[in-house]
Amino acid sequence: DIQMTQSPSVLSASVGDRVTLNCKASQNINKYLNWYQQKLGEAPKLLIYNTNNLQTGIPSRFSGSGSGTDYTLTISSLQPEDVATYFCFQHNSWPGTFGAGTKLELK
Amino acid sequence: QVQLKESGPGLVQPSQTLSLTCTVSGFSLTSNSVSWVRQPPGKGLEWMGAIWSGGSTDYNSALKSRLSISRDTSKSQVFLKMNSLQTEDTAIYFCTRDYPGPFAYWGQGTLVTVSS
Repeated sequence: DIQMTQSPSVLSASVGDRVTLNCKASQNINKYLNWYQQKLGEAPKLLIYNTNNLQTGIPSRFSGSGSGTDYTLTISSLQPEDVATYFCFQHNSWPGTFGAGTKLELK
Repeated sequence: QVQLKESGPGLVQPSQTLSLTCTVSGFSLTSNSVSWVRQPPGKGLEWMGAIWSGGSTDYNSALKSRLSISRDTSKSQVFLKMNSLQTEDTAIYFCTRDYPGPFAYWGQGTLVTVSS
């Protein structure tokens, strides 16, 4: 199975900051990479699919990029409601696998 | 409006079988795939398996010997059955609609505790 490594595991940032979360695959996943946001006590929510496609209804401050084994989720201007854990997921190879998550906190 | 809702027993005894139902609305099971994903309390996510629009299924190899996913399209329901439950199967179980990508829409989840 492909291993997905997210960094950092915890990130503290201030409102208005530009925030970057990283996800590294153990092999090339051909941009089949999704990002999910999970707030405390809620189900995860799809933010970005296939590296850089914004899901309907997701604010444009979220964006994704990457290729090969390295992928990034960027929040252009952090808002208080963005406090959550963010998971990446690869669906290039069976079975799809999740990263362990990055917990985003307010400084 | 796309909606999914999981239902089932909150408590299962060790070695017993778990049966969960996912009732969907706002989309057709014959043109969308549905997956099950679980999350142990305070931990990460695990994709369990999927039933595709044509009715075929795929399972995570780690669970394949214990897991079965089926559906009743007339009732807009997807079913999960997993046998030989152990305490490590304690988790929140989610069903998801897989369009436009995997796990695009999620149910609220249902907590299943495996305990005697």
